[in-house]
Amino acid sequence: GIQVEQSPPDLILQEGANSTLRCNFSDSVNNLQWFHQNPWGQLINLFYIPSGTKQNGRLSATTVATERYSLLYISSSQTTDSGVYFCAVDNYGQNFVFGPGTRLSVLP
Amino acid sequence: DAGVIQSPRHEVTEMGQEVTLRCKPISGHNSLFWYRQTMMRGLELLIYFNNNVPIDDSGMPEDRFSAKMPNASFSTLKIQPSEPRDSAVYFCASSLAGTQGARAFFGQGTRLTVV
Repeated sequence: GIQVEQSPPDLILQEGANSTLRCNFSDSVNNLQWFHQNPWGQLINLFYIPSGTKQNGRLSATTVATERYSLLYISSSQTTDSGVYFCAVDNYGQNFVFGPGTRLSVLP
Repeated sequence: DAGVIQSPRHEVTEMGQEVTLRCKPISGHNSLFWYRQTMMRGLELLIYFNNNVPIDDSGMPEDRFSAKMPNASFSTLKIQPSEPRDSAVYFCASSLAGTQGARAFFGQGTRLTVV
């Protein structure tokens, strides 16, 4: 099946800093989504982005499908951005496969 | 819409007992997913339904696990008999498959502890 890797596994930032999270996948996909799991365990859908670039406030994401990677940018990070960020992909089977996640800690 | 609703939020049960987890997807969504999350294995897809039909149950760990979706607004995941290694957070998610914006939305999860 399709493999999903995320980097870095852990990231510690000072409030106000910017960061880039990466997701690599092993096969072509027709669906790629980014999720944030907050410290209370809730999974929030951030982006549906199988290709191209999207922005939502301080967050933006870019997927280069031909090169099989996606990037999530967080600008001016806040303590509420802390948690785990997951990339999930689907290669035409509608069965999302999640990456291992990047654990982000934003310090005040 | 209230989003994906799961119940119960927490369940503590003794080994050998039957456990039933419930999920109400977002109205109008046609795909439903059950995931299990543990520290060791991360988020694992157990089964997914499309239009109430199970499409892929290859992630179901063993025969002790079963899932049903009797109608578009309700699904259950049953574990019988339960074992301590089943302790995990179980998530249900739904989406509108086949559309350009097939975003998946997750419920709050059920934290299961088997003692």
